[in-house]
Amino acid sequence: GQNIDQPTEMTATEGAIVQINCTYQTSGFNGLFWYQQHAGEAPTFLSYNVLDGLEEKGRFSSFLSRSKGYSYLLLKELQMKDSASYLCATAWEGRTLVFGKGTRLSVIA
Amino acid sequence: GAVVSQHPSWVICKSGTSVKIECRSLDFQATTMFWYRQFPKQSLMLMATSNEGSKATYEQGVEKDKFLINHASLTLSTLTVTSAHPEDSSFYICSARDGTASTDTQYFGPGTRLTVL
Repeated sequence: GQNIDQPTEMTATEGAIVQINCTYQTSGFNGLFWYQQHAGEAPTFLSYNVLDGLEEKGRFSSFLSRSKGYSYLLLKELQMKDSASYLCATAWEGRTLVFGKGTRLSVIA
Repeated sequence: GAVVSQHPSWVICKSGTSVKIECRSLDFQATTMFWYRQFPKQSLMLMATSNEGSKATYEQGVEKDKFLINHASLTLSTLTVTSAHPEDSSFYICSARDGTASTDTQYFGPGTRLTVL
């Protein structure tokens, strides 16, 4: 199975850079996803990593190290609208996504 | 692309009644759909996995006779909460996986907020 760990809460300043870490157990790993979820809304897909390295998509980047069971989501030039929960999820051999509890990010002025 | 709709977006019902929630993939064929439940400030909890044309697979602790799932076509899955009680009040979210895609990316519907009085 999968055991996903990510910080519960983080606070960062508008315009800054923040890194949200995620660790997971590696058995049957089939890919690592990041989703953004605003309060009261459903999650929206941000990124998918299946190979080691950094994937950049605008202000958001996601990194994966399969050997370490580690990923991070990097948000640059933070905006107030980036205040949300960020969910790390792994796909494993059953092809079902398993979600972490999410990291609640607060962006302050 | 990859749009998933859900209907209704919110519903209020009396205890003991049944509520049906629809989940549709609008621009792709979803061979697999998933139903999640989320209580306030908690993580997504997978309730069941639904494959088109076959019975749903329920997670441990989820009553299949209470949460009826039907996935009759490649674009539609329904969740019926039977004999709803106040403790069933929650945010129900469906997601769909594109059967033609090479990744396991799931796309989420906007969710249905159920309140049982």
